[in-house]
Parts: sequence; structure tokens; C-alpha cells
Amino acid sequence: ETGVTQTPRHLVMGMTNKKSLKCEQHLGHNAMYWYKQSAKKPLELMFVYSLEERVENNSVPSRFSPECPNSSHLFLHLHTLQPEDSALYLCASSQDLRDPGNTIYFGEGSWLTVV
Amino acid sequence: AQSVTQLGSHVSVSEGALVLLRCNYSSSVPPYLFWYVQYPNQGLQLLLKYTSAATLVKGINGFEAEFKKSETSFHLTKPSAHMSDAAEYFCAVSSFNYQLIWGAGTKLIIKP
Repeated sequence: ETGVTQTPRHLVMGMTNKKSLKCEQHLGHNAMYWYKQSAKKPLELMFVYSLEERVENNSVPSRFSPECPNSSHLFLHLHTLQPEDSALYLCASSQDLRDPGNTIYFGEGSWLTVV
Repeated sequence: AQSVTQLGSHVSVSEGALVLLRCNYSSSVPPYLFWYVQYPNQGLQLLLKYTSAATLVKGINGFEAEFKKSETSFHLTKPSAHMSDAAEYFCAVSSFNYQLIWGAGTKLIIKP
């Protein structure tokens, strides 16, 4: 069992839908992340939050909207997605963003299919 | 700029044989290096990491990796492969601004 829980595990949505991915970490960490994992591509960091404040947004299209209401929860709101957005979305957390050696703990991911 | 190169998108070994997964990095600062593993339908989990202490790092499940500065390498090895080692393995280097720079991954296939 992972200390980072993601729901739903699978999501199929139309291009005009609005949906959200949810992440909760039970590790007492201060930083949370959203990653996108597509086939045959390196992991792409999308967003980083430290103590509920966004510190990184790697040029992600505005159809992806993150929300971090507290240090344990992270959401990714999705609207008007494109088929190329179909991928595995991984949530992760770590203790201290300032420590380059800190371990990142991942959830099991949410498989998103855009039709 | 930092980068990570993993040689071979797929590596196939027989059960009981040596596992060697290659990772080379470039970094303008002393690196922190990581190996993560992803089993089918799961997220990534840390196998081991190098944080400037011992150059030979031991991880979980019998894996180890050696940091070689002169070769800018951090190859992952295991003396004897097990069927349960079948997974995708990712090498990563930590950059100065806390982001991990990831390799493209190597899928390890174990032949019975």
C-alpha cells in the first residue's frame, strides 16, 4: 500500500467534459507534484507545490488546472482536453523541496483516456 | 544543463543471469542520482539513490549501483535476475532547482 493515494485509477472522458483527478498523501510531506507519463517519453513534471504554494508550472496548457487546498491534498482539474492528453497521470510527494537528495514517493497513477 | 541517458529501451536477460542497466548523466554540479522502478500498473518507487556518500549504493531487492564520476555513469546491477524483477527502470538526476531530470526508462524482460 502506497502512502500516496490517487483517484480515480481510470478515467475516460470526452473532449468537452470537465473532470478532476484527486491525490492524497499520508506521509506528512510538504511538497506535492503532478507528473504526466506517456508511452516512449520521459516523465514530464507538470506542477509542483510546496506548502500549498505553486512553485513550478512547466508550461502546461491551461486546460490543466491544479489545486492544492492543503499540504495533504492535490487536485488536477481537467477541461476541454485533447486526445493527445491521454496518459498516466502520477501524483507524488516529498518531504522537503529544498533537499536535492530527497526521495519522491509516487501514487499508483490515474489512467486518463480522452475520446 | 543536466541530462540522463539510459542505454537500451529494452533489456532481456535469462532468469538467474546478471542484470545490468546503464545510465549516464551530465551535470554541472555534483549530482544526486536515483534509480526508480515501476512495476506494471503501478507508480514508481525508489530502488536506491546516491547522495555523495559511498560510491557503491545498495538498494532494495538485491540491486546496487556504482557512481563513477570519471565515466559520468550510475549503472544498476543485480547478480541474479528473478522473474519478479520484470519492470521498467528509470534513472534520474536531481537538478539545482529540485527538479528530477528523468531518463526515458529501460524495460527489463526476464526469460524463464
